[in-house]
Amino acid sequence: GAVVSQHPSRVICKSGTSVKIECRSLDFQATTMFWYRQFPKKSLMLMATSNEGSKATYEQGVEKDKFLINHASLTLSTLTVTSAHPEDSSFYICSAASGKETQYFGPGTRLLVL
Amino acid sequence: QKEVEQNSGPLSVPEGAIASLNCTYSDRGSQSFFWYRQYSGKSPELIMFIYSNGDKEDGRFTAQLNKASQYVSLLIRDSQPSDSATYLCAAKQSGGGADGLTFGKGTHLIIQP
Repeated sequence: GAVVSQHPSRVICKSGTSVKIECRSLDFQATTMFWYRQFPKKSLMLMATSNEGSKATYEQGVEKDKFLINHASLTLSTLTVTSAHPEDSSFYICSAASGKETQYFGPGTRLLVL
Repeated sequence: QKEVEQNSGPLSVPEGAIASLNCTYSDRGSQSFFWYRQYSGKSPELIMFIYSNGDKEDGRFTAQLNKASQYVSLLIRDSQPSDSATYLCAAKQSGGGADGLTFGKGTHLIIQP
């Protein structure tokens, strides 16, 4: 149980384009989903918290207009990186929680912006 | 500023020995603590969590929490080469599910056959 999927697993795009990443909880309903980013040899940094049906809460320093988050259902959250630039290249990981202690992580999406 | 500190390592331990991983946190409001294992290029896998002072055991793993010292540790008994990975310590402020995790930078553990 408690499986979280992400799609795509890897994406390469040109600078200036937008990229959408999906995060799905497959066998439970996630009241809250989280988006993290991890640069090489660095730890995971929380970007934003999203609750189903409400606006996401962004961490300090994360641009909400650049990283658009939609949490339309209890099993799906999307992160759209708008007008991506090479410095946005990173490993993006979502996690989902059902109100209990544990967050379950998706497998991650590796984004490379050329 | 909430911070979680870990020694980045690498920590090298012979196969079969006990690996001891340590973590300190700065936010006294932190309620729950998590240990994740992350293999290179993969996302974190939950090992265990702890929120009460003392020890919590799960198979070969024991988590220890000392809130007075703001210190969390993870012991891995009978270390195996497959335990070689980066171990991430994380803290969460609330007792519910609504808060994101603050991660340390991780300790790179190497189990030598």
